[in-house]
Amino acid sequence: AQSVTQLDSHVSVSEGTPVLLRCNYSSSYSPSLFWYVQHPNKGLQLLLKYTSAATLVKGINGFEAEFKKSETSFHLTKPSAHMSDAAEYFCVVGSFGNEKLTFGTGTRLTIIP
Amino acid sequence: GAGVSQSPSNKVTEKGKDVELRCDPISGHTALYWYRQRLGQGLEFLIYFQGNSAPDKSGLPSDRFSAERTGESVSTLTIQRTQQEDSAVYLCASNTMTVNTEAFFGQGTRLTVV
Repeated sequence: AQSVTQLDSHVSVSEGTPVLLRCNYSSSYSPSLFWYVQHPNKGLQLLLKYTSAATLVKGINGFEAEFKKSETSFHLTKPSAHMSDAAEYFCVVGSFGNEKLTFGTGTRLTIIP
Repeated sequence: GAGVSQSPSNKVTEKGKDVELRCDPISGHTALYWYRQRLGQGLEFLIYFQGNSAPDKSGLPSDRFSAERTGESVSTLTIQRTQQEDSAVYLCASNTMTVNTEAFFGQGTRLTVV
């Protein structure tokens, strides 16, 4: 079985300050991990994915995430928030060939001007 | 096709009516998912098709909900005797189920039950 927990339902940061969105996972197998972003009234877009080639994964729009097996975490970060980053972010876990992709409940990111 | 296509994009129906939502996955994608997203909420898993395996229907909220998929192509999600709480955006996604492949999402069908 697998599961994913997004530790914060809502995060607010000021423009120009760092962003941290937390995600912990549980998986019986070597996991595939993803972050998706959903802007208001828009579809879901892949932000980045963990492919096991490197533990630090870089995505679009300056976001990156670090896979930490010992902590079963895949937190999403960005050094400096921009107003356009305001959106809902979903952490997703999957396992090769075995199980469906499992979505976290989402973190709503608000950027304060 | 180039992406996951869902139709209709919007559907308004009267309470008690049946509705059918359609999803055309990306060609060659063996896995197909349906999710429901209520206003301001996260994604709620409904059903998962993987190739020729029996579908995972564990997320269907009631027996009014059903889904079919023909081979590795089109899927339809049917909601019978719609209720107001069924109002939501219904999202379809597909992927190839190879290692580390992401799911590709359609734009969704916004269902409003009045």
